[in-house]
Amino acid sequence: DADVTQTPRNRITKTGKRIMLECSQTKGHDRMYWYRQDPGLGLRLIYYSFDVKDINKGEISDGYSVSRQAQAKFSLSLESAIPNQTALYFCATSDAVLNEQFFGPGTRLTVL
Amino acid sequence: GENVEQHPSTLSVQEGDSAVIKCTYSDSASNYFPWYKQELGKGPQLIIDIRSNVGEKKDQRIAVTLNKTAKHFSLHITETQPEDSAVYFCAASKGTGGSYIPTFGRGTSLIVHP
Repeated sequence: DADVTQTPRNRITKTGKRIMLECSQTKGHDRMYWYRQDPGLGLRLIYYSFDVKDINKGEISDGYSVSRQAQAKFSLSLESAIPNQTALYFCATSDAVLNEQFFGPGTRLTVL
Repeated sequence: GENVEQHPSTLSVQEGDSAVIKCTYSDSASNYFPWYKQELGKGPQLIIDIRSNVGEKKDQRIAVTLNKTAKHFSLHITETQPEDSAVYFCAASKGTGGSYIPTFGRGTSLIVHP
């Protein structure tokens, strides 16, 4: 089984809809992250959480919100989706000692 | 904040050739520099990393060099193989005790022709 899972893997939605992307991990890591990947722009950090009670904005948090429901679960929400939020979204985890990030398989989101 | 520039954006080589990807960073306090490989349809995966107290690190066909004075670091892949074809991302970060938040470069698409 994959250590970091993301659901759904693909989603097509319409402008104005509320969308939630979910991330679960079995690695036992405290730290979780949400990134957005656009062609030619690399990976940009949306939000990160160092533990259940800690939520921090990243480089591009406008238009997004997150919820850390448990150590293993970190959800990303788009309250009112817009077309320029069409992108590939990745969840990642890391532990408190090593710095390696472990990425999920990604969610491809299309907003029409 | 940190700014990471990565070049080239696309690199095409013949199997067996070497490939070099270069990155520069802006924050002199950055002290951890990982490289990630992203294969088609998958999430990025760490392939090698280097810390600021080391100038070079090797792992089989892969090596990373760091020049702190010039604020640049490079990924070197020797004897390239078709399975090396992927997108490679460099990143720079600072912190201690696991508090690193990386800033990624824009990625290099490496194509290895058989």
